[in-house]
Amino acid sequence: AQKITQTQPGMFVQEKEAVTLDCTYDTSDPSYGLFWYKQPSSGEMIFLIYQGSYDQQNATEGRYSLNFQKARKSANLVISASQLGDSAMYFCAINTGGFKTIFGAGTRLFVKA
Amino acid sequence: SQTIHQWPATLVQPVGSPLSLECTVEGTSNPNLYWYRQAAGRGLQLLFYSVGIGQISSEVPQNLSASRPQDRQFILSSKKLLLSDSGFYLCAWSVIERQSTDTQYFGPGTRLTVL
Repeated sequence: AQKITQTQPGMFVQEKEAVTLDCTYDTSDPSYGLFWYKQPSSGEMIFLIYQGSYDQQNATEGRYSLNFQKARKSANLVISASQLGDSAMYFCAINTGGFKTIFGAGTRLFVKA
Repeated sequence: SQTIHQWPATLVQPVGSPLSLECTVEGTSNPNLYWYRQAAGRGLQLLFYSVGIGQISSEVPQNLSASRPQDRQFILSSKKLLLSDSGFYLCAWSVIERQSTDTQYFGPGTRLTVL
């Protein structure tokens, strides 16, 4: 069975600084995809970034990058130049094929002015 | 571009009353559709998914049911609500190009309170 662990219930970061949100995963499948979603207070889940298990390079999308360390089974999200609007819950998720995506418990990020 | 709608946005219902939440997707054909529930401060729990009209798979046995009467319409129902049904319900869609790359896109959600 697949599992996602997000060990940081809450994180604080100063505006304009970078922050790393941790995510470790557990799966025995060689093929899988890792996802990060942002959930602001409005509730909508917003897709941020995707990393495939066979991708050679770390994924990047604007200010978001994924620090993928396959041997350690970690997929940390790095947000550069934090903005006040980045304050939200962030969820890491894994899919190993099929229709079931497993989500972690989430990390709440607070950006300070 | 694709958009996903959910309604109502908020709902307060008494215990034992029926429920119907609706989700529609625009701008894509034959999407995979999903219903999730999120308890306060928690992650997402997959309730149902559908790969086509009339095709429903249930992940969690409970008093909820789902139906897909049209390609881009997904409905979550209950005949009698329980207190434990309270939560935030999210609908999502995806188009799988390759297994394990199932990027799901979510609707705005429905906040359900059962009293």
